[in-house]
Amino acid sequence: DTEVTQTPKHLVMGMTNKKSLKCEQHMGHRAMYWYKQKAKKPPELMFVYSYEKLSINESVPSRFSPECPNSSLLNLHLHALQPEDSALYLCASSLQNSPLHFGNGTRLTVT
Amino acid sequence: AQKVTQAQTEISVVEKEDVTLDCVYETRDTTYYLFWYKQPPSGELVFLIRRNSFDEQNEISGRYSWNFQKSTSSFNFTITASQVVDSAVYFCALSEPLGGADGLTFGKGTHLIIQP
Repeated sequence: DTEVTQTPKHLVMGMTNKKSLKCEQHMGHRAMYWYKQKAKKPPELMFVYSYEKLSINESVPSRFSPECPNSSLLNLHLHALQPEDSALYLCASSLQNSPLHFGNGTRLTVT
Repeated sequence: AQKVTQAQTEISVVEKEDVTLDCVYETRDTTYYLFWYKQPPSGELVFLIRRNSFDEQNEISGRYSWNFQKSTSSFNFTITASQVVDSAVYFCALSEPLGGADGLTFGKGTHLIIQP
């Protein structure tokens, strides 16, 4: 069982919808990440939070809005997405200089 | 800029064969970490191993072994006596310090198919 929990597992949304992806970990990790993975491609980094502060935004469009309410939670708010945003969204957490622990991902389909 | 190259896009072998997945990396950092992750069809990325740049000892864990050679910037992964459950996409990755956290630069992955 993964120690990083992502909900929902699957999400289908229209281009005008607003939805949120959630990620939770209770390992005391102070770094949390969002990655996007298209089919048959490696994961691509989107955002990094370190001690609940956004430290990296890899030029992600503003229709993706991350939020870190506390050290255990990481959200990704979605608004006005495009069909090409359909992908597997992976959350991860880590201690500094330690391996990233990934969740099972949310498989997002934008119609 | 960092780069990880996994030249083998797909490998197919028959069960019980040994198989080696290649990984070559580029970095200007003197201190770095290398990783292998497994991604089964379910989607989760499963951590397999981490190696730091100062430790070139090979490692064996059951049927898995890793060969780290700094001289050739390679970190290859061998599965001995492969099993159908080993079928997955395997990613080699390189750490990169990111504002107090550590992100990963992934290779493109090798899709390993173990046929019964």
